[in-house]
Amino acid sequence: AQSVTQLGSHVSVSEGALVLLRCNYSSSVPPYLFWYVQYPNQGLQLLLKYTSAATLVKGINGFEAEFKKSETSFHLTKPSAHMSDAAEYFCAVTKDTGRRALTFGSGTRLQVQP
Amino acid sequence: DGGITQSPKYLFRKEGQNVTLSCEQNLNHDAMYWYRQDPGQGLRLIYYSQIVNDFQKGDIAEGYSVSREKKESFPLTVTSAQKNPTAFYLCASSTQQGSYTFGSGTRLTVV
Repeated sequence: AQSVTQLGSHVSVSEGALVLLRCNYSSSVPPYLFWYVQYPNQGLQLLLKYTSAATLVKGINGFEAEFKKSETSFHLTKPSAHMSDAAEYFCAVTKDTGRRALTFGSGTRLQVQP
Repeated sequence: DGGITQSPKYLFRKEGQNVTLSCEQNLNHDAMYWYRQDPGQGLRLIYYSQIVNDFQKGDIAEGYSVSREKKESFPLTVTSAQKNPTAFYLCASSTQQGSYTFGSGTRLTVV
């Protein structure tokens, strides 16, 4: 069974500081990995997706993530936080075949301090 | 524009009543999904359907039912057997290539 662990339910950074949100996965087959952002009472917006084409994936709004197979990690980073980045972030995994439903981590709420 | 429409945005239900949440997509996606979101628990899969007239239980299907009579529609019924139905419900759809689209959600409150 595949699963995702997000370390840190709350992360607080200062505006302009580095954002690092951690995600580790366990999957018996090469996974597809995703990062989504959610603003209050809204659906999920895709930030970026890893599908084995390249280990460093660039997404929207300046976010990027690096797939590290040896560490089973897919951490999300952004060099300089903006106030508008304050939201909840979810890491998710799925397989290419079989049940394709996304399996989500428990989420990380990012606070950005002025 | 193509997308997923969930209605209503807010729903109130009395204990012991069934209630149906609507999910419609015009993206021509084959697969559709229902997730439940509770604070601190992420999104948990209730049911999913990869093709019309077929659906499978997810991780927390007890107390829920679905139908998939049309490709565009995947309604979720929260039955009286669901012991703690108050939550935020998200519908999603996907392509064969793994592109997922989410609706804006329905917040269900039991009063």
